[in-house]
Amino acid sequence: AQTVTQSQPEMSVQEAETVTLSCTYDTSESNYYLFWYKQPPSRQMILVIRQEAYKQQNATENRFSVNFQKAAKSFSLKISDSQLGDTAMYFCAFMKHSGGYQKVTFGIGTKLQVIP
Amino acid sequence: EAQVTQNPRYLITVTGKKLTVTCSQNMNHEYMSWYRQDPGLGLRQIYYSMNVEVTDKGDVPEGYKVSRKEKRNFPLILESPSPNQTSLYFCASSSRTSGPQSDTQYFGPGTRLTVL
Repeated sequence: AQTVTQSQPEMSVQEAETVTLSCTYDTSESNYYLFWYKQPPSRQMILVIRQEAYKQQNATENRFSVNFQKAAKSFSLKISDSQLGDTAMYFCAFMKHSGGYQKVTFGIGTKLQVIP
Repeated sequence: EAQVTQNPRYLITVTGKKLTVTCSQNMNHEYMSWYRQDPGLGLRQIYYSMNVEVTDKGDVPEGYKVSRKEKRNFPLILESPSPNQTSLYFCASSSRTSGPQSDTQYFGPGTRLTVL
């Protein structure tokens, strides 16, 4: 079974600064996806970024980028130029991608507070 | 507008009274999933479906049933709800077709269930 660990329950960052959220996972699979989702106070789950395990290049989406270290099973999220609207819970997720399976495992989340 | 809808959004019920939470998507996605979110535990997968009439258990299936009779709908059934099923429930859908959004899950707005 896969496990996903987010070791930072809460973090804070000054507006316009950079923050990195950590995520590690454990799996014996070679083919999988990794995701970061944002959950603001509205409770809506919003996709931040997606990474395919077979791709060496780290995914980026505007101010959001990841540091994907496959051998180390690490998938950290970097938020640059933090904005007040980035205040939210952030969840790391692992998706097994083989055959017909779509087993998904989430971490317990990191609560990020952006301070004005 | 591409979306996943859930109904009801809020539900208060009593122990043992059967209930159904509906989920519908308009994106022609093959895959659909149900999750529950509890404080300190992140999201946990209950069931998922690979297509019509094909479902499989996630990590926490006990006490839940699902069915997939139509591609767009994936209801979650609690035959005899108990207080430990009080939670925030999310439905999600994704497509297996190739492309940059392959296997990316899109979430519904959530259903807050309270079982007294």
